[in-house]
Amino acid sequence: EPEVTQTPSHQVTQMGQEVILRCVPISNHLYFYWYRQILGQKVEFLVSFYNNEISEKSEIFDDQFSVERPDGSNFTLKIRSTKLEDSAMYFCASRSRGDTNEKLFFGSGTQLSVL
Amino acid sequence: AQKVTQAQTEISVVEKEDVTLDCVYETRDTTYYLFWYKQPPSGELVFLIRRNSFDEQNEISGRYSWNFQKSTSSFNFTITASQVVDSAVYFCALSETNTGNQFYFGTGTSLTVIP
Repeated sequence: EPEVTQTPSHQVTQMGQEVILRCVPISNHLYFYWYRQILGQKVEFLVSFYNNEISEKSEIFDDQFSVERPDGSNFTLKIRSTKLEDSAMYFCASRSRGDTNEKLFFGSGTQLSVL
Repeated sequence: AQKVTQAQTEISVVEKEDVTLDCVYETRDTTYYLFWYKQPPSGELVFLIRRNSFDEQNEISGRYSWNFQKSTSSFNFTITASQVVDSAVYFCALSETNTGNQFYFGTGTSLTVIP
């Protein structure tokens, strides 16, 4: 089965530093997402991206966050100045259509630790 | 308000026992979709099932079965003859027509199957 690939699997950074989390969605998918999961808590929606622009974002996704699809394959999440509370598992997801019945394919996640 | 509630935070069962994971959802949409995802200790999110709001037939897939009841807004998941490999966190999720870009996840139920 096709996979969503995320790199790195673990990222450790100092507070205030910028981080970029990378994702390669499934090749024929058109809708891309970032979710995060703080340890022991539920998976929370951050942002969705379609046709090279953000289609929806949550309250969590403030000015410190940005997303980009720099080429035809990568989808990145940038945190400009990390805070301790940004420590979480970040999941990238994609789906082929925006239909509500389409399942999301998730990557294996990037564990971000902000020290 | 929580759109998806998983009241059971943690469940432990002995191998070969049956276990039911509860999921209650809230939506005003008439067309919506419900999902279950499994998160094993390795951290990735694995799709298990998708159900649309017009199909209340119960579904069985091997040792897994799902009971969808619109009258009680519930979409419960039963594992029959549980195995150690079933140990994971299980998330119920809702996708609505009006907010089609998002999945709303419950807080998850951590299942431990004891050998």
